[in-house]
Amino acid sequence: AQSVTQPDIHITVSEGASLELRCNYSYGATPYLFWYVQSPGQGLQLLLKYFSGDTLVQGIKGFEAEFKRSQSSFNLRKPSVHWSDAAEYFCAVGATGAAGNKLTFGGGTRVLVKP
Amino acid sequence: DAGVIQSPRHEVTEMGQEVTLRCKPISGHNSLFWYRQTMMRGLELLIYFNNNVPIDDSGMPEDRFSAKMPNASFSTLKIQPSEPRDSAVYFCASSRGQQNQPQHFGDGTRLSIL
Repeated sequence: AQSVTQPDIHITVSEGASLELRCNYSYGATPYLFWYVQSPGQGLQLLLKYFSGDTLVQGIKGFEAEFKRSQSSFNLRKPSVHWSDAAEYFCAVGATGAAGNKLTFGGGTRVLVKP
Repeated sequence: DAGVIQSPRHEVTEMGQEVTLRCKPISGHNSLFWYRQTMMRGLELLIYFNNNVPIDDSGMPEDRFSAKMPNASFSTLKIQPSEPRDSAVYFCASSRGQQNQPQHFGDGTRLSIL
């Protein structure tokens, strides 16, 4: 069975500083990986996804993530954080199965942005 | 295009009452997912459907919970009778059924059981 670990429950970063959120997955085959963001009172919004090919993927809102198979990681980065990036971020891995595309989510990392 | 639509956005009711949450997936999506989110347990998958058929309901907490998908454009999650510990935000998500397709989430229903 697949699993996802986000080691950092909370991260505080100053506005304008860089941000990196860690994600480690456990999966027996080639994973499908996703990062989502959840703003307060909202649903989850897809930031980016990785299926194959270039291991550095670009997403919306200036985010990028790098897939490293040797480390079973898919860390999310942003070079310069804006106050509007304060939210909770979820990493997810897609499962191959009989039907559909069930996702397994990590526990989330809450990001606080200091002025 | 319209996203996943959930109703109501907020529901407050007394314990013992029946609660019905509704979801309209994105047109053309054939997989639908119901999640529950709480501070204590995070995001939990309750059940998911593919082509209107329930595939995995192992996350449904108790027999008080039931879900249906009578057609490709509508699903319900029902709790009967409701209890205070059911208070949570319930999300519906949909996707195209292929394995590499992302899920698209609605804005959720915030449920409070008094």
